[in-house]
This record gives sequence, structure tokens and C-alpha cells, in this order.
Amino acid sequence: SQQGEEDPQALSIQEGENATMNCSYKTSINNLQWYRQNSGRGLVHLILIRSNEREKHSGRLRVTLDTSKKSSSLLITASRAADTASYFCATDSYGQNFVFGPGTRLSVLP
Amino acid sequence: DAEITQSPRHKITETGRQVTLACHQTWNHNNMFWYRQDLGHGLRLIHYSYGVQDTNKGEVSDGYSVSRSNTEDLPLTLESAASSQTSVYFCASSPSGWGTPLHFGNGTRLTVT
Repeated sequence: SQQGEEDPQALSIQEGENATMNCSYKTSINNLQWYRQNSGRGLVHLILIRSNEREKHSGRLRVTLDTSKKSSSLLITASRAADTASYFCATDSYGQNFVFGPGTRLSVLP
Repeated sequence: DAEITQSPRHKITETGRQVTLACHQTWNHNNMFWYRQDLGHGLRLIHYSYGVQDTNKGEVSDGYSVSRSNTEDLPLTLESAASSQTSVYFCASSPSGWGTPLHFGNGTRLTVT
């Protein structure tokens, strides 16, 4: 069974706009990670947030975690065409390996 | 630079044949994983290993096997390929410990006819 579930399934925005993707999960976690996948390539790790953290930043990326709502969001600011990709959240807990959601397909239009 | 390499990138095989997909990493990571990716399912864990001689079943292990004879390699074998195993297969590795980020290969697209 899937732990993480991204929302929306697909998102189209104009270059320069912000993109927000959400991830909901079902059970308590230790860590939540976000990955990006370009077409035909493997996943690339973007950012990790631990269960005792509420917000993390990395460049144009901002991740929040609300453990009471069992949800996380990924914000990409000032999006570029190169941000076009699928984005996945993955959660883990003690004794359990990462479980990935089905992903959000982001299209950034020039 | 360290990397993780999968081969072949594309493979077409017939139902019933045995197929082995290779995964080689130069990160010196103890943890290695095999996932399959299908539309609507995200990535599903097939098998994983936490070190040499250690192998474990994942969520969708039926019909697959792995062996870990050294740190660098974790080959995935499909014992008797089935059409349901048509998918894109990803190998990943990570350092020891929980929650460490995964490093992925670029995948093998397998078609079983």
C-alpha cells in the first residue's frame, strides 16, 4: 500500500510562477524526502525533512511538514522550464524502507 | 565522480526466459535497492540489501531474486519473465542508516513479449 500520495497529479504553470505540490501520508514517519525525475532518467534527491522539523529551504525549494495533518508541501519559486519533471515524495519510518507516492507531473511553460 | 550504473538501458525478452538486470555502484554504499516504476503506482520496492550476503524481499518480490556477493553490485534476476513484469526498473543505493537519501541509476526499460 502506498504511504505517500502527491496532489495534484499534474500541474501546468508559466515560467516565473511558483509551483506548489502536496504530499499526504497515512502513518507516523521518521523522514520525508522529495525527489525529482526528468523524463527517461532516474530520480534525483532534492531535500529531506525530519519529523521534528517544520520547514526547510534549499535554493528555490521550500518544504514544509505538518505531522499533525500528515502532510508536506514542496514549493518551487520562480519556476523555470528546466523544472519540468515529475516530483515524488517518499516517507520512511523505523523498520520500514522508503515508500514513494505516484508523483506530480509539473510542466513549466515558457 | 561516484555513480550508479544500470545495464542494459533497454531489453526486450520473451515470456518464460530468465533475465538479469545489472546494477553497479561506485559510492561504496552498503544499502542497495531495486524498484519498478509503473504508471499510477509510483515506485514499488522489489528487493533490497543492507550489505554483502544480505538480501530482503520488498513489496513486489514474487518472480524476482537478487544476490549480493560484493558491495558494488546487486543484479536483479527475473526467473521466468512474464508480461506483467514489463516495466521500468530502477536501482538505487544509499549509505547505512535510516532515512539517508537514495542515489538512483537511470533505469532499465524491460519489455516482455
